[in-house]
Amino acid sequence: EAGVTQFPSHSVIEKGQTVTLRCDPISGHDNLYWYRRVMGKEIKFLLHFVKESKQDESGMPNNRFLAERTGGTYSTLKVQPAELEDSGVYFCASTGQINTEAFFGQGTRLTVV
Amino acid sequence: AQSVTQLGSHVSVSEGALVLLRCNYSSSVPPYLFWYVQYPNQGLQLLLKYTSAATLVKGINGFEAEFKKSETSFHLTKPSAHMSDAAEYFCAVSGNNQGGKLIFGQGTELSVKP
Repeated sequence: EAGVTQFPSHSVIEKGQTVTLRCDPISGHDNLYWYRRVMGKEIKFLLHFVKESKQDESGMPNNRFLAERTGGTYSTLKVQPAELEDSGVYFCASTGQINTEAFFGQGTRLTVV
Repeated sequence: AQSVTQLGSHVSVSEGALVLLRCNYSSSVPPYLFWYVQYPNQGLQLLLKYTSAATLVKGINGFEAEFKKSETSFHLTKPSAHMSDAAEYFCAVSGNNQGGKLIFGQGTELSVKP
């Protein structure tokens, strides 16, 4: 069984550019989460999808971040325009049922220069 | 509101020594508690979880953790460290009203000396 897949694994972009991160959850997992770890800080929740619906987006930093989950399968997280403080590692996780094991992807390391 | 505090951003032990990684939490609802490990260039992997069954939870790779409600703690231990245990460890909390989202501690980098 394939795990959670994220790509790209690394992205370096200039301030003001747009970047789109993608997450493919484990097949059949309705719950998909995005998290971010800024260097030196803890991993922080960004948002939660149940199928294609946003269940909780309380962690999204601002309106430069847009998340979608087309058809309840893969999800994208777009940052437009990127700022220096957006640099960090973006993790995606999926679960079948909530409060069970969350399976994490390897993360996308985003560097904004 | 929920929060997690991990004491010590870096812990160093000798191979064969006891590993103790500390985690304290606060939660207004009965907590679900997790320990995750991240090896270099990999994603987070679940070590163990507490979901209100036994207070002593055994996980993979010889790790275990004890839930102590009176101390609001969920410390991670392993009797004898291996070189392969070198990684970053994260304690996390969730709750029934949280939709499964995890609140993480700051992480503890474990180094194992030969």
